[in-house]
Amino acid sequence: QKEVEQDPGPLSVPEGAIVSLNCTYSNSAFQYFMWYRQYSRKGPELLMYTYSSGNKEDGRFTAQVDKSSKYISLFIRDSQPSDSATYLCAMSGGSNYKLTFGKGTLLTVNP
Amino acid sequence: DVKVTQSSRYLVKRTGEKVFLECVQDMDHENMFWYRQDPGLGLRLIYFSYDVKMKEKGDIPEGYSVSREKKERFSLILESASTNQTSMYLCASSSLYGDRDTGLYGYTFGSGTRLTVV
Repeated sequence: QKEVEQDPGPLSVPEGAIVSLNCTYSNSAFQYFMWYRQYSRKGPELLMYTYSSGNKEDGRFTAQVDKSSKYISLFIRDSQPSDSATYLCAMSGGSNYKLTFGKGTLLTVNP
Repeated sequence: DVKVTQSSRYLVKRTGEKVFLECVQDMDHENMFWYRQDPGLGLRLIYFSYDVKMKEKGDIPEGYSVSREKKERFSLILESASTNQTSMYLCASSSLYGDRDTGLYGYTFGSGTRLTVV
């Protein structure tokens, strides 16, 4: 079993839709959970992060962590064409500075 | 506001050439990483370094070497380029102690180098 599993998609939605992106993981030592957004032909950039369990909201984006299920989610409300990108989940065990990445989900938001 | 700079955006090299990919960061980060990214395979760690002159192999080090002579610079070397090394190469850096504001061990990535070996 891979440490982090992420559905690669592709996912195509109409503008204004609610998008749900998910990752599952197997390492119970993971404490920091991040989402990176990568536009075409660019490097990934940090979008959101959470520590341990719970929700975090930032504008149209909500990151959710359920450590009991080893499941993390990123929700995008009122999706826009500018949200079209690859979204990568990443996680670490805190003192271990190496991140473990999912393979990324390609999202297209159609106008 | 550029923080991690990769020397080339696009590079075309011939099979057998020695290729140098350069990465410079201006955030005084201790850790630096080299990844390659391929469709369907995601990010794969080639090498990383947590200090000057220190290096550790990642998941796919074969055919690559690295050099870190200064804290801000981490170079990836393809000793003899092959067509299966055609890929997007991404450099990243992070603080050993976590981000000053968030405590997070997140990475800052460069824009990537698209290398084609013909």
